[in-house]
Amino acid sequence: QPALTQPRSVAGSPGQSVTISCTGSRSDVGAYNYVSWYQQYPGKAPKLIIHDVIERPSGVPDRFSGSKSGNTASLTISGLQVEDEADYYCCAYGGRFPLVVFGGGTKVTVL
Amino acid sequence: EVQLLESGGGLIQPGGSLRLSCAASGFTFITYAMSWVRQAPGKGLEWVSATTGSGATTYYADSVKGRFTISRDNSKNTLYLQMNSLRAEDTAVYYCAKVRNDYTPDNWGQGTLVTVSS
Repeated sequence: QPALTQPRSVAGSPGQSVTISCTGSRSDVGAYNYVSWYQQYPGKAPKLIIHDVIERPSGVPDRFSGSKSGNTASLTISGLQVEDEADYYCCAYGGRFPLVVFGGGTKVTVL
Repeated sequence: EVQLLESGGGLIQPGGSLRLSCAASGFTFITYAMSWVRQAPGKGLEWVSATTGSGATTYYADSVKGRFTISRDNSKNTLYLQMNSLRAEDTAVYYCAKVRNDYTPDNWGQGTLVTVSS
């Protein structure tokens, strides 16, 4: 059972916005501003798209944004594009035991 | 450019051992903590283990503690994962990852498949 809870799937039409939630606890998401998000295409390695809750690495489109409230972090994809269809995972620093936790992943479908 | 290249995966019988390697380049290896993350077929990502830049401190998920050992050779820019007493549930693609200060990954290798089956 993943430590962080994500919806199994979300869907939207091109141009729409979708938001993926990631719910943890006071020991991980709620304790630190250390939440990352990853995009993964089938058969490929994950790619970092958000770190430190809200920061985008160089080269990541600004339609991807992150936020956090309490024990829940969120990833929003604004202006959904066909190439955004992928699996998305959240990840958080957990202190020491465990050190790092992942969400179960969310499949984003572009209708 | 950061490059991480895993090797050592394969088919192994339950109870067997395997050592994974990850050759790193494109960054100053010794200054970064590193991790292993796995993904069972059709499943999500699972953090497995991490080590500090010096290798002096190591961390493990409960699911592998006592069976897996992470280590690194900073003279060879290489990360290792020694896996003993392997179980069917260890079957997964194992990714090597360079991690940020918060131990969340920022760069990933392409992964190596470990299949535990008789």
